[in-house]
Amino acid sequence: QEQLVESGGGVVQPGGSLRLSCAASGFALNSYGMHWVRQAPGKGLECVAFVWRDGIKKEYLDSVKGRFTISKDNSKNIVYLQMDSLRAEDTGIYYCARDVSWYIEVWGRGTLVTVSS
Amino acid sequence: EVVMTQSPGTLSVSPGERLTLSCRASQTVSNDLAWYQQKPGQAPRLLIYAASTRATGIPARFSGSGSETEFTLTISSLQPEDFAVYYCHQYSYWPRTFGQGTKVEFK
Repeated sequence: QEQLVESGGGVVQPGGSLRLSCAASGFALNSYGMHWVRQAPGKGLECVAFVWRDGIKKEYLDSVKGRFTISKDNSKNIVYLQMDSLRAEDTGIYYCARDVSWYIEVWGRGTLVTVSS
Repeated sequence: EVVMTQSPGTLSVSPGERLTLSCRASQTVSNDLAWYQQKPGQAPRLLIYAASTRATGIPARFSGSGSETEFTLTISSLQPEDFAVYYCHQYSYWPRTFGQGTKVEFK
């Protein structure tokens, strides 16, 4: 069964850092591009970062450029999101998601990030 | 950034009704448009991709249409399990963007 399981969320102070992980099972990450999508409390969905299948080319939402870094370790089948200089507006559920032909096909259950003093 | 605008914001309906949800893109996205359903406390679920292709396992009562800038999601006969928030999503341009959602609630 194809599955994505996120971890690493928690409460952090403004200016702090967190690293989210997304463990994939049932398929090989080296065959897919991967997204991180976030959802602020009671709000809609926002694509934050994307890593292409080759793991080299990356795309970021403007508001997180220079602060967030997406990467994937194909040998471990894990995708990461390193989040630095966190702000209150980064608060939300962060979903890991698999890309197929450019649309998002499979979603994890998400991990909650709360940025608060 | 491509702005996706969904209407209406909320639909109050009864089971068995037919409903149509609309999504408009601020510039043409060809048919690079997907629809997702999200229930409270759950991750979104893919319903439709390429504007009109049902994802695996999605019931035939869900259908999508449109191209360029105007898209619709139709549910032919609403079932109790269909009460949820529906999002459209363009994947033609970076950054990928979603509409703000249409909430389908029980009348």
